[in-house]
Amino acid sequence: ETGVTQSPTHLIKTRGQQVTLRCSSQSGHNTVSWYQQALGQGPQFIFQYYREEENGRGNFPPRFSGLQFPNYSSELNVNALELDDSALYLCASSRDSGPEAFFGQGTRLTVV
Amino acid sequence: DAKTTQPTSMDCAEGRAANLPCNHSTISGNEYVYWYRQIHSQGPQYIIHGLKNNETNEMASLIITEDRKSSTLILPHATLRDTAVYYCIVRGFLLNYGGSQGNLIFGKGTKLSVKP
Repeated sequence: ETGVTQSPTHLIKTRGQQVTLRCSSQSGHNTVSWYQQALGQGPQFIFQYYREEENGRGNFPPRFSGLQFPNYSSELNVNALELDDSALYLCASSRDSGPEAFFGQGTRLTVV
Repeated sequence: DAKTTQPTSMDCAEGRAANLPCNHSTISGNEYVYWYRQIHSQGPQYIIHGLKNNETNEMASLIITEDRKSSTLILPHATLRDTAVYYCIVRGFLLNYGGSQGNLIFGKGTKLSVKP
C-alpha cells in the first residue's frame, strides 16, 4: 500500500504568480483534504474533495482552488500569490469509512 | 467542533511514560477525541481516537474521563523518536459520509521533548 505523496517538495514563487501543487492519495482512499501550515502554527484546513466534488471548505479566499481526479489524486491551485501564502502545504487522504487521515510530507512554498 | 486546551510543552525522560493532557470541556455527545502527532519536517501522523471508553493500540493509550471533558494520551515507554508536537482534536465522525475526516481543527499542540 503506497502512502500519500506530494510534489514538488519545495517551491519558490514570486508574488502575483500562480502555483499548482499535486497530491497522490493512498491506495483505496477516495477523500483528499488540503491544509496550510504556517511556521510555528498547527495545520489549517483549506478544503476537502470527495469523489471529485468539493464538500467542505475552510476560511480561505477563492484564489485557493482545487481539483480531484477520477483516480482520486488532487491538485491545489493558488492564484495571485501573496507573501503570506508562504507555508507548508499538506495533503491528507482517507477512506469514507475510516477514522484516520494519512498525511503526505508536504510542499514547502516560499513566496518572494 | 469543540475547542481543546493543551500545555505548550512537556519534557519526558527516555523509557518513562509520557502523559499528555487535553481539556475539551465543551465537547458534545457525538464528538470523538483524536490525537495526531507531527515530527519535525513531516506531515501529521494519526495516533489514536476514542469516544468515551479508554482505547489502546500499538502506539499509545487514550484515557477519557467519565464526564468526557478531558483526556490523556499515554506513551508507555517514550523514546527519542517520540519527540514531536502532539495535537488533541475533537470532532464528530459521520459514518458513511464522504470525507468525514476533513476539517480537522488543529491547535498549536504540545511540544513533547524526550530526553536521554
